[in-house]
Amino acid sequence: AQSVTQLGSHVSVSEGALVLLRCNYSSSVPPYLFWYVQYPNQGLQLLLKYTSAATLVKGINGFEAEFKKSETSFHLTKPSAHMSDAAEYFCAVSERGYIPTFGRGTSLIVHP
Amino acid sequence: NAGVTQTPKFRVLKTGQSMTLLCAQDMNHEYMYWYRQDPGMGLRLIHYSVGEGTTAKGEVPDGYNVSRLKKQNFLLGLESAAPSQTSVYFCASSYELAGGSSYNEQFFGPGTRLTVL
Repeated sequence: AQSVTQLGSHVSVSEGALVLLRCNYSSSVPPYLFWYVQYPNQGLQLLLKYTSAATLVKGINGFEAEFKKSETSFHLTKPSAHMSDAAEYFCAVSERGYIPTFGRGTSLIVHP
Repeated sequence: NAGVTQTPKFRVLKTGQSMTLLCAQDMNHEYMYWYRQDPGMGLRLIHYSVGEGTTAKGEVPDGYNVSRLKKQNFLLGLESAAPSQTSVYFCASSYELAGGSSYNEQFFGPGTRLTVL
């Protein structure tokens, strides 16, 4: 059965600092993995996805994530936070043939 | 392309009233989903559809019904609204990957904020 855990419901960083949002998954088969971003009062939009190609995945707005099978992790990073990155971030896992399961989300707070 | 649209954007109901939320997509996607989002709970799947005329239950289906009479539309109904159904509802759609059925990235609508008094 697939599941996903996002460590930390809130992450606070200063503008210009490294952003690290953690996601660990459980899956019995090679999964698809996704990161979505939700800005206030909007729907979710895809940041990036892993579908068994390159383990380092680059997404929009300077974000990237690395698939680490040995650690069952898919952490999201950005070298330098911008005020506009403040949003809710969701990690999702999908075993092939199954509907994605979403984590509970991590709220990114960016201080000036 | 408008993508995924949802109607209405906001609604306030009294306990026991009924309503229908409409989701429409213009991307010719096979799969459509209804989620609810509550603080600290992430997204929870209510019902989903893998094609026109087919629907299936998700994680939290009680109190909701759905229909997919046309490929582009997915309706979510509340027959007798309860305060526990106060939430933000999101519709999403996704396409079938080449080589067989497989759930892929989802495209989300802007949401419907529902309050049940």
